[in-house]
Amino acid sequence: DAGITQSPRYKITETGRQVTLMCHQTWSHSYMFWYRQDLGHGLRLIYYSAAADITDKGEVPDGYVVSRSKTENFPLTLESATRSQTSVYFCASSPSASYNEQFFGPGTRLTVL
Amino acid sequence: KQEVTQIPAALSVPEGENLVLNCSFTDSAIYNLQWFRQDPGKGLTSLLLIQSSQREQTSGRLNASLDKSSGRSTLYIAASQPGDSATYLCAVNYGGSQGNLIFGKGTKLSVKP
Repeated sequence: DAGITQSPRYKITETGRQVTLMCHQTWSHSYMFWYRQDLGHGLRLIYYSAAADITDKGEVPDGYVVSRSKTENFPLTLESATRSQTSVYFCASSPSASYNEQFFGPGTRLTVL
Repeated sequence: KQEVTQIPAALSVPEGENLVLNCSFTDSAIYNLQWFRQDPGKGLTSLLLIQSSQREQTSGRLNASLDKSSGRSTLYIAASQPGDSATYLCAVNYGGSQGNLIFGKGTKLSVKP
């Protein structure tokens, strides 16, 4: 199916564990984004990617690592999960940085115990 | 700092009423503005995208307007229905290489039958 998918949809982990959230889009969009959504803060950008092998930090990058070896995939890794990283994570994609809509995935609800 | 504000935070209306949701932004040098709908526990669905050169966009019962000079956008919903109940998010794109969206915290709409 065309679109943007995220996996897993729900994840519970423990403090200190490594967790990887997956994002896959079928449109061949150049730009991909990771946001987190928290009560009281709204959505905030963690990392973005302008193309394969081009990534950069957003507003709240600490504790996260990304990679983009293929255009369609943009995984987000929490190297050593902390309770403050309990959140809902959304992946998005867009053909360009500025002129097009951003399309969002269904989200991953992550709980760090 | 670039900020997006949505007022009110919550709104309850009877079915059939026309309503307006408000969004304001501090920096008027925007590329575009996007309105989203988010149902509880779900992802973001893009409703309308307004480019900086446009004054309004329409989709069905939805009409979004943009006034860059005053830093405001409104989302007008005609003849509201219970199925319109959701949280509506406004997001501003300031362009540049990052191209991320700056989100408001949303207006939670409840349409009573």
